[in-house]
Amino acid sequence: QKEVEQNSGPLSVPEGAIASLNCTYSDRGSQSFFWYRQYSGKSPELIMFIYSNGDKEDGRFTAQLNKASQYVSLLIRDSQPSDSATYLCAVGFNFNKFYFGSGTKLNVKP
Amino acid sequence: DGGITQSPKYLFRKEGQNVTLSCEQNLNHDAMYWYRQDPGQGLRLIYYSQIVNDFQKGDIAEGYSVSREKKESFPLTVTSAQKNPTAFYLCASSNPGTGDEKLFFGSGTQLSVL
Repeated sequence: QKEVEQNSGPLSVPEGAIASLNCTYSDRGSQSFFWYRQYSGKSPELIMFIYSNGDKEDGRFTAQLNKASQYVSLLIRDSQPSDSATYLCAVGFNFNKFYFGSGTKLNVKP
Repeated sequence: DGGITQSPKYLFRKEGQNVTLSCEQNLNHDAMYWYRQDPGQGLRLIYYSQIVNDFQKGDIAEGYSVSREKKESFPLTVTSAQKNPTAFYLCASSNPGTGDEKLFFGSGTQLSVL
């Protein structure tokens, strides 16, 4: 069983602030890393993916990967109330199996 | 539009009954997956298939069965052997080996026990 760990939260941030979400994983052979956003009762939506060490930016989102520390994070700049959701970290193994953390609930307060 | 279609959206199972959840994709993806999500929990892998007529058990396959007779379709049967089937079931697909191995999800099926 591949372990993917996330703080369950809730993480509360004021509107306009930076939200920082963190994830650690157990298998050093993991090759791909994903962040999904899930609204209550809905299916997960892919918002970021990263395959190499370093930072990857897409709009207000930045994914950060540190394979040596087995750590991946998601930064959300200028947080909006519509960003309030559960964020799932997923780790890909051999590019054909994906393991998920239990998610971090984010609340953005107006 | 390309995507993954799951049906039904809601499903109720009587005790001792088998039920089948449908999953169809038109993304031309080779790999398809079934995950189960319990409230406040992450996703747990039930079964996955990388090619037609082949599939592998995931971490929680007991009480479930699948088939992959067509590339587009990967139905999941929840059998009477699954004693706690109430959960949100998610079908997903990806295209391994393309350099773009992202996982995409259908809209899910909520299964409840009567």
